[in-house]
Amino acid sequence: GAGVSQSPSNKVTEKGKDVELRCDPISGHTALYWYRQRLGQGLEFLIYFQGNSAPDKSGLPSDRFSAERTGESVSTLTIQRTQQEDSAVYLCASSPIAGRANYGYTFGSGTRLTVV
Amino acid sequence: AQTVTQSQPEMSVQEAETVTLSCTYDTSESDYYLFWYKQPPSRQMILVIRQEAYKQQNATENRFSVNFQKAAKSFSLKISDSQLGDAAMYFCAAFVGAGSYQLTFGKGTKLSVIP
Repeated sequence: GAGVSQSPSNKVTEKGKDVELRCDPISGHTALYWYRQRLGQGLEFLIYFQGNSAPDKSGLPSDRFSAERTGESVSTLTIQRTQQEDSAVYLCASSPIAGRANYGYTFGSGTRLTVV
Repeated sequence: AQTVTQSQPEMSVQEAETVTLSCTYDTSESDYYLFWYKQPPSRQMILVIRQEAYKQQNATENRFSVNFQKAAKSFSLKISDSQLGDAAMYFCAAFVGAGSYQLTFGKGTKLSVIP
């Protein structure tokens, strides 16, 4: 697609429920990244994919968080048994290839998750 | 590990005036890239400007320019002729190290533009 697309745009869920957040990167971008942005804070790295492989999962906050990617396209971030501290904007970004820093990232508009 | 620090949580500027947003970073690496991103209320992070550490010349994109002081590890953003549409959160970010893939962000500066 023309840009990075994320869905849903907003999600309100009850504490303890599971949620799935979707990211559709720019066509041809092999690298995909997930970040979390808490209110008033910067962006925290969660995970990145090169193709459908996730070499670095070090930013995932707990084992309730997981992510997968199908080929070089859609990625899904899943949060199980949501907690109130999971409330944040989850941003996805893609780039032509990981490790080529001069490209920077192209970001989506994020999913605002609210756990009540 | 590298860190990126933005010491100004909020700034304001009169329309048509110039404002400078500060950013410092900490790394022992010699190979890195620096970025400024803009985040309007739509939430999408928009790349404003990038700077390669090996280049001495400061990057410029229209009304946006940087003051890159490598020895001081400082990377400030200057916005000239500020416009109402410039109002947003601005984040400084860095890729550090050859082959780096993880963009490290500062906490951001909220810029308000006063008509």
